[in-house]
Amino acid sequence: AQSVAQPEDQVNVAEGNPLTVKCTYSVSGNPYLFWYVQYPNRGLQFLLKYITGDNLVKGSYGFEAEFNKSQTSFHLKKPSALVSDSALYFCAVRDNTSGTYKYIFGTGTRLKVLA
Amino acid sequence: GAGVSQTPSNKVTEKGKYVELRCDPISGHTALYWYRQSLGQGPEFLIYFQGTGAADDSGLPNDRFFAVRPEGSVSTLKIQRTERGDSAVYLCASRGVAASYNEQFFGPGTRLTVL
Repeated sequence: AQSVAQPEDQVNVAEGNPLTVKCTYSVSGNPYLFWYVQYPNRGLQFLLKYITGDNLVKGSYGFEAEFNKSQTSFHLKKPSALVSDSALYFCAVRDNTSGTYKYIFGTGTRLKVLA
Repeated sequence: GAGVSQTPSNKVTEKGKYVELRCDPISGHTALYWYRQSLGQGPEFLIYFQGTGAADDSGLPNDRFFAVRPEGSVSTLKIQRTERGDSAVYLCASRGVAASYNEQFFGPGTRLTVL
């Protein structure tokens, strides 16, 4: 079965510091991995994806993620956090086994950037 | 361009009532998904449409839940005899079918509260 784990319910970081939000996955076959952000009362916004190619993926709003096959991880990173980055972040893996390409989401990590 | 829209944004109903939730996908997107997000959880897959047909409804929790997409565009999620446990945010997402369109685009969700 395919799954995603986000081991941290909340991450606190000071503004200007680098941030990391962790994600590990378990899939059969090649993983298709995604990060989404959710602001209060808004839908999920796509940040970035890994399909193939370079292990370092760059996305929206200065975020990037590093795919590590040996550690089955896809951690979200940003070199310098902003207060406006405070939100709920979800990692997801796409189910490539059933033909639906549905997402399997982690439980989310709340990022709090402190001024 | 217009994104995915969902109506209503909020729905409060009484236990035992029938509700309908509507999703307008991005124009031209043939793939449409419904997810349910309970408090403190990541979204969970409910059903997937490719065109007019439900290609995968394995996530529907029971036979009180039903969804349609009669013309391959707008979709309606229908819940009969609502229960308090149905309270959640219901998210709709759409996806294009070209190979580059791997990510799903989410609507803002409908918050359903069953009293």
